[in-house]
Amino acid sequence: NAGVTQTPKFRVLKTGQSMTLLCAQDMNHEYMYWYRQDPGMGLRLIHYSVGEGTTAKGEVPDGYNVSRLKKQNFLLGLESAAPSQTSVYFCASTSSNLGTGFFGELFFGEGSRLTVL
Amino acid sequence: GENVEQHPSTLSVQEGDSAVIKCTYSDSASNYFPWYKQELGKRPQLIIDIRSNVGEKKDQRIAVTLNKTAKHFSLHITETQPEDSAVYFCAAPVQVKAAGNKLTFGGGTRVLVKP
Repeated sequence: NAGVTQTPKFRVLKTGQSMTLLCAQDMNHEYMYWYRQDPGMGLRLIHYSVGEGTTAKGEVPDGYNVSRLKKQNFLLGLESAAPSQTSVYFCASTSSNLGTGFFGELFFGEGSRLTVL
Repeated sequence: GENVEQHPSTLSVQEGDSAVIKCTYSDSASNYFPWYKQELGKRPQLIIDIRSNVGEKKDQRIAVTLNKTAKHFSLHITETQPEDSAVYFCAAPVQVKAAGNKLTFGGGTRVLVKP
């Protein structure tokens, strides 16, 4: 039981390059999230998904795209990286029941440190 | 609005003293209030949470209190120890029509426990 796994853990990009961050969870969670954390700042929500095939925008979605083709995977894409996207990216997943309003513990991956030059 | 505001942003305490961090939220429909601890270079991890049907919850040296009328909740750490030094985040969920729940975090509090 690995929990939430993010790949890659580190990446350096040049401005304009594209890349995809992969998040995989083995807990059968419906909800998955992508956050970014800048130095001295909190966790800001980029995009999230409440189930396979669904995605929604968070607080800071511009410049990112996501896909949830399989329940266990949530991909975060940067089509044309910019220096402002230098950050630590955290994926997280949780069990939740929209019908009952139950919200469970958020399990985070180890983070992916991205530097855009 | 869906803001979660957290205060203070930094907190320095002497070992053995208590630490209190307060968060306010704007969505009156929020019903779940977790606290996460993030040690340097690590991922955030849940330390305690409270649901809106209770006013207080304790787990050894940590406790969370909730005031739904005033829309604020607080983390209390008693008898602080050096290993309590970390960044603490509060959070509150916001239900978005047709898009499920999203969890919004406060800005974080950096706690330093001085030996």
